[in-house]
Amino acid sequence: ENVLTQSPGTLSLSPGERATLSCRASERVINNYVAWFQQKPGQPPRLLIYGASDRATGIPDRFRGSGSRTDFTLSISRLEPEDFAVYYCQQYGDSPLTFGQGTRLDLK
Amino acid sequence: QLQESGPGLVKPSGTLSLTCAVSGGPISSYNWWSWVRQAPGKGLEWIGEIFHGGSTNYNPSLVSRVTISLERSKNQFSLNLSSVTAADTAVYYCARGGVGLSTPENFDSWGQGTLVTVSS
Repeated sequence: ENVLTQSPGTLSLSPGERATLSCRASERVINNYVAWFQQKPGQPPRLLIYGASDRATGIPDRFRGSGSRTDFTLSISRLEPEDFAVYYCQQYGDSPLTFGQGTRLDLK
Repeated sequence: QLQESGPGLVKPSGTLSLTCAVSGGPISSYNWWSWVRQAPGKGLEWIGEIFHGGSTNYNPSLVSRVTISLERSKNQFSLNLSSVTAADTAVYYCARGGVGLSTPENFDSWGQGTLVTVSS
């Protein structure tokens, strides 16, 4: 299976700063089918990015996805208080579909 | 919208059975529907998916114990996980989406999740 490794495990930043989250795949992701999700406590994951760089419906443009093959990045410019959460990457190009272990974005 | 239902407590060696009710449109309106679980304090694990036509695809780590089925007349799909142990204790989510589809709808809609505890 395609193992996704996210880094860092925890990122401590302040509102207004920029966040850069990394997701590295153990194999090339077919068609760059990578998605990013945000999850807050007690809630289901929320789709942010699909196809590595396309924003999902209603997602603000401060969220930007990039990357290809095995290296993918989620950037959040100008952090808002509601952005502090856990972020997961997912590859859905091949079965089994897999998720990274998550990056926790903490308020500094 | 999706809504999970089923027992919150299952005995070890028993079978976990959950249903996901789909509202707002027919289940045939999208190709794939998935189950995902999250153990307490842990990350997300994909369990498997079902095509609206009925074919399935499972995570190899669970394939010997899992069955996902569809009931079109009730607009719902179900998960059965047999021979459960404490390691199967998790929040179970149903979601619209699957492998190999890159559309805005893929994994854009999730149930709220239901906690299933495996304990005697």
